[in-house]
Amino acid sequence: NAGVTQTPKFRVLKTGQSMTLLCAQDMNHEYMYWYRQDPGMGLRLIHYSVGEGTTAKGEVPDGYNVSRLKKQNFLLGLESAAPSQTSVYFCASSWAGQDRAFFGQGTRLTVV
Amino acid sequence: AQSVTQPDIHITVSEGASLELRCNYSYGATPYLFWYVQSPGQGLQLLLKYFSGDTLVQGIKGFEAEFKRSQSSFNLRKPSVHWSDAAEYFCAVGAKDSSYKLIFGSGTRLLVRP
Repeated sequence: NAGVTQTPKFRVLKTGQSMTLLCAQDMNHEYMYWYRQDPGMGLRLIHYSVGEGTTAKGEVPDGYNVSRLKKQNFLLGLESAAPSQTSVYFCASSWAGQDRAFFGQGTRLTVV
Repeated sequence: AQSVTQPDIHITVSEGASLELRCNYSYGATPYLFWYVQSPGQGLQLLLKYFSGDTLVQGIKGFEAEFKRSQSSFNLRKPSVHWSDAAEYFCAVGAKDSSYKLIFGSGTRLLVRP
């Protein structure tokens, strides 16, 4: 029972490079979320999805794009990475909005 | 839009002492409320949640939280802290509208003195 799996776990990018973070869940959850965690700022919501084919902006969406083409996958893209995007990224999913969220183990991204 | 404030960045308590972590929220109605814990290098684990009904909720590891509508608060408590409770604790608010956005506070880091 894998739960929520994030790929990759670590990545170093050069400024201006692009990349995609993959989140996969095997619990048939409708809701999926991408957060970034920075010291002293907690988890800030980047984008989220309330079902396959839907996405919505969170608190800090600028510089990121997302897609939810399949229910089990939620992709986070950085088109042109900036040092300010150095962070730990967490994906989460839940069956319903009022249900508990299950978190992945995080992706540590460094942009140099 | 909902928001969450955790006013204490760090709290240090002695092992065996009681603990209270503060959480205040802003939302137009009674939201869904959660407390999560994060151990170093790990993801987040749910401690407890409040949706409706009894305002005192029990969670795992001996934690409880009390929802106080008049104070817009959802403080986390534990009567006797163990060294293994040292971690970062996050309060979260879930919207009850169709967005179901889940917003987190900035966290409180708990240190436990032996």
